[in-house]
Amino acid sequence: GPKVLQIPSHQIIDMGQMVTLNCDPVSNHLYFYWYKQILGQQMEFLVNFYNGKVMEKSKLFKDQFSVERPDGSYFTLKIQPTALEDSAVYFCASSSDRGQNTLYFGAGTRLSVL
Amino acid sequence: QQKVQQSPESLIVPEGAMTSLNCTFSDSASQYFAWYRQHSGKAPKALMSIFSNGEKEEGRFTIHLNKASLHFSLHIRDSQPSDSALYLCAPNTGYQNFYFGKGTSLTVIP
Repeated sequence: GPKVLQIPSHQIIDMGQMVTLNCDPVSNHLYFYWYKQILGQQMEFLVNFYNGKVMEKSKLFKDQFSVERPDGSYFTLKIQPTALEDSAVYFCASSSDRGQNTLYFGAGTRLSVL
Repeated sequence: QQKVQQSPESLIVPEGAMTSLNCTFSDSASQYFAWYRQHSGKAPKALMSIFSNGEKEEGRFTIHLNKASLHFSLHIRDSQPSDSALYLCAPNTGYQNFYFGKGTSLTVIP
């Protein structure tokens, strides 16, 4: 089936550093998402991106977070600076439509902030 | 924002049992109802979805939807150890982002 690729699979960084998580969504999909999951718990919505813009973001999407997808390349989540509570698995997802179609998830990036 | 509640939080059943997972939602305008399954350490993957009130069966899996009660459920017949996973429900109006419940952790014991 359709694949979403996330790079890297694991990232370890020191608190205060910047980190960029990369996502290669399904090629014909238009909507892109980031979710945060701590220790196999609730999958929490962070942000939704469409047509080059953030459409909706949750309270978890702090000012230190930003997303972009320059010219159809990777869809990225940047955290600058990182905090200890940012340690989690970050899942990227994409869909062809906003709310009526299947979300396809990547395998996740495990972020460890020390 | 859609509020989603799942019950039970965790469930342990013997192999071959019938398993029932529940999901209640807050937005009565919801029209699309999906279940996702996440095996430990893996990405969530769509399992089944339903649009209309009633029931939909695919193999050992059945979804029941009751829009008036703001409730839908997933039933697994003849549960297998490979069904052990975190099950996430995601109701949607069709025009919003996907908000998931906290999930039900299912363990099927051989």
